[in-house]
Amino acid sequence: DAGVIQSPRHEVTEMGQEVTLRCKPISGHNSLFWYRQTMMRGLELLIYFNNNVPIDDSGMPEDRFSAKMPNASFSTLKIQPSEPRDSAVYFCASSLGQGADETQYFGPGTRLLVL
Amino acid sequence: KNEVEQSPQNLTAQEGEFITINCSYSVGISALHWLQQHPGGGIVSLFMLSSGKKKHGRLIATINIQEKHSSLHITASHPRDSAVYICALSGGSNYKLTFGKGTLLTVNP
Repeated sequence: DAGVIQSPRHEVTEMGQEVTLRCKPISGHNSLFWYRQTMMRGLELLIYFNNNVPIDDSGMPEDRFSAKMPNASFSTLKIQPSEPRDSAVYFCASSLGQGADETQYFGPGTRLLVL
Repeated sequence: KNEVEQSPQNLTAQEGEFITINCSYSVGISALHWLQQHPGGGIVSLFMLSSGKKKHGRLIATINIQEKHSSLHITASHPRDSAVYICALSGGSNYKLTFGKGTLLTVNP
C-alpha cells in the first residue's frame, strides 16, 4: 500500500488566498484525522471523520477552516481566507477502526507558509 | 499541569549507547502510543501498548499502568535514530490522542 498520501507537500501563499490541502487515506481505513503541528502548540487534532462523517470538528480554529470527506478515499482541508498564523505543517492520518485505540498512519504532511 | 509529560526534552548520545525516553501521565488511558518524527519528515507510529512490553528490532516500549509511566528504550543507538519521539495517550472511546511535547534525540557518530 502507498500509505497516506497528501498533496501538496509544500504550499506558499499570500495572506487572504484560499488554500486547499488534500488527503487520500489508506484503502480500507474507516477513520481519518487532520492534525496541525506548530512549534508553539505541537500536534493538535483539527477534525476527525469516521466512515466519511465528521464526528468532531471542535479543533477547527475558526470559520475560516473547513473540511470535507466526500468519499472513503478523499478528504480536503480548506482555509479561506488564509492568514500568516495558519503557517504550520498539516498532517492527515488514517486508521482501520474507530477511536484512538488504533494505530494511526500519518501522511508526509503539507508544509504551509502564508506570507 | 499537562496530562502527559515527557523527559528529557532533549537528549544527545553517542552511537552505540542505550537510550531511555520517559513518559508520565496523569489521566486514565486505554492505550499509549510512541511516535517518531524525523527532522522535516513525517510521523511514524512505533508502538501502541496498553500493558507490559513490546519490542521491535532495537526498540523496546514498556508501560506501567499503575504508576502511569511508560518508557521507550533504544539499544545500540545509531545516528539514524536521531528524531523527535512523541508519547501520546488515548482513552478508549475517546478518539482523540493527547500528545506530549516530544523528546529530541540526537545520536552522534
